[in-house]
Amino acid sequence: SAVISQKPSRDICQRGTSLTIQCQVDSQVTMMFWYRQQPGQSLTLIATANQGSEATYESGFVIDKFPISRPNLTFSTLTVSNMSPEDSSIYLCSVGDEQFFGPGTRLTVL
Amino acid sequence: DAKTTQPPSMDCAEGRAANLPCNHSTISGNEYVYWYRQIHSQGPQYIIHGLKNNETNEMASLIITEDRKSSTLILPHATLRDTAVYYCIVRVLFQITGANSKLTFGKGITLSVRP
Repeated sequence: SAVISQKPSRDICQRGTSLTIQCQVDSQVTMMFWYRQQPGQSLTLIATANQGSEATYESGFVIDKFPISRPNLTFSTLTVSNMSPEDSSIYLCSVGDEQFFGPGTRLTVL
Repeated sequence: DAKTTQPPSMDCAEGRAANLPCNHSTISGNEYVYWYRQIHSQGPQYIIHGLKNNETNEMASLIITEDRKSSTLILPHATLRDTAVYYCIVRVLFQITGANSKLTFGKGITLSVRP
């Protein structure tokens, strides 16, 4: 299994600002994914981070709101832009076909 | 929409086997059954997956019915640390199709292990 780290582990942000979340893997992986887990809810896939090309977004998620970078096979970032309280969630990255998950980033927007 | 149905919750006594059921009556021939669990405030943890044969690893056993319409995850000796939400998911294996075989999480089943 891969070792996955995320930064920051948690943050409290003001409405209208943006936060970039980092996901680092200890080995090269083809597939990286970003999920959101709203309070009391299950996980929802935001997008697939493709190395060398644009991310593939799921229905209901757009690049302007959640821009994603994937500069290499071990790293990806997700930005939550122009945040509102509704964006308060845990954001998780996962990697590989078995989809091993990182510890998550707990975001609170005031 | 999730293609699986699970009871919302169950409990078992510590040290006993926990048998977690899952129905996936519309599963396709090339879809695998995956199980993950999420312990409170942590990221989901991969447990096991299978296609049609029963599978066992150091964490659990997966029993899939012959018609593949349901499965059971078995934790042979449940401990308090096994208290978590368990998700049963069906998905196509990436290597088989070459397509993005995403995970669609349902509500899962909350397992409570009591002392």
